[in-house]
Amino acid sequence: DGGITQSPKYLFRKEGQNVTLSCEQNLNHDAMYWYRQDPGQGLRLIYYSQIVNDFQKGDIAEGYSVSREKKESFPLTVTSAQKNPTAFYLCASRGLIGANTQYFGPGTRLTVL
Amino acid sequence: QKEVEQDPGPLSVPEGAIVSLNCTYSNSAFQYFMWYRQYSRKGPELLMYTYSSGNKEDGRFTAQVDKSSKYISLFIRDSQPSDSATYLCAMRTVSGANNLFFGTGTRLTVIP
Repeated sequence: DGGITQSPKYLFRKEGQNVTLSCEQNLNHDAMYWYRQDPGQGLRLIYYSQIVNDFQKGDIAEGYSVSREKKESFPLTVTSAQKNPTAFYLCASRGLIGANTQYFGPGTRLTVL
Repeated sequence: QKEVEQDPGPLSVPEGAIVSLNCTYSNSAFQYFMWYRQYSRKGPELLMYTYSSGNKEDGRFTAQVDKSSKYISLFIRDSQPSDSATYLCAMRTVSGANNLFFGTGTRLTVIP
């Protein structure tokens, strides 16, 4: 099955810890994205990457880091510098042909204890 | 003023009703318009994708864009309990494929 997978589905973290969220896609999409979703707010872009080994900051990149070593994978690290990390994190990808829009994974719910 | 405004609801309708969901926007450069459906604790699923003005129909769903009024709509005919979800509108400019602007979502409940 083609699609986007995110793991884990639920993640709990103690304050002061870094944590990495996984995102993998087998759609052969070039671009990948990380969003954060909070109640009552629209999706906010954290980082995106159009090609391997290159990525750009979105609107709320502070306290987050990413890597793009493979086309299929775009992990997000939530660092201890992120002041309010409890949220629903969504990964998306986009191909460069066809319906040139973003498709989303199932999400990871991060809770800081 | 936000780039995209969407009434958060909640909206409750009886099964079989026609549902109208709407977004307004301020940037006249937006050319691509999308509707996503998001079930609770799931990722958004692309429902409709349209370019510029006009209507697009897919089964029970119709997306409508009125660029002169900066207003987009999603109509759901013969609504079903399985349509109960949050509906997000999103839009972008021609060159802004990496920069989607989202509404906050409208929560819809279809009552059997």
